[in-house]
Amino acid sequence: GAGVSQSPSNKVTEKGKDVELRCDPISGHTALYWYRQSLGQGLEFLIYFQGNSAPDKSGLPSDRFSAERTGGSVSTLTIQRTQQEDSAVYLCASRMEGTSAGEQYFGPGTRLTVT
Amino acid sequence: AQSVTQPDIHITVSEGASLELRCNYSYGATPYLFWYVQSPGQGLQLLLKYFSGDTLVQGIKGFEAEFKRSQSSFNLRKPSVHWSDAAEYFCAVGATGGFKTIFGAGTRLFVKA
Repeated sequence: GAGVSQSPSNKVTEKGKDVELRCDPISGHTALYWYRQSLGQGLEFLIYFQGNSAPDKSGLPSDRFSAERTGGSVSTLTIQRTQQEDSAVYLCASRMEGTSAGEQYFGPGTRLTVT
Repeated sequence: AQSVTQPDIHITVSEGASLELRCNYSYGATPYLFWYVQSPGQGLQLLLKYFSGDTLVQGIKGFEAEFKRSQSSFNLRKPSVHWSDAAEYFCAVGATGGFKTIFGAGTRLFVKA
């Protein structure tokens, strides 16, 4: 497909379980972002990947959150020992090299519900 | 510190009426400014962007925005709203040369018939 895709679209998990969220960016986009969107809130930056550089993890809220990007393409966001406050929509975005930071293409998101 | 404020949590307008969504930013230099729209169940879509030059910028779907440096504002406007414009709108500021984009909390637009 031409856009950013994310899977699953919805995920319900029990408190304490681990979850993995996947993002497929637009082919050729070197930059990839993860955001968290809680109800009624704006977008909270989580992590940023650019090419082969070390990712910027400054937005990760705790050490339960981690992300990797394999081969400069697909990215996985992992949340360990999920808590109820982790319930949110997790958005992935990608960006073409050479464009400004704000010119991002977003996926539809994964809605995570922790029960 | 960089910040973006969208003073209106939600706005309701009648179909065919004009629309203005407010956005104020705080940034130490000339910012890159953006408006995004998020339809229910969808990701964000870029409506328009301002980098420099003409302070009135045109975007997709008939939207425009005006950059006013003296007021630190970047308000979004549309002359005639359609029911399909009902969505959440996010204003954002990006650092020149940086990678981060700061998003406002969003304004939800309701359109009544």
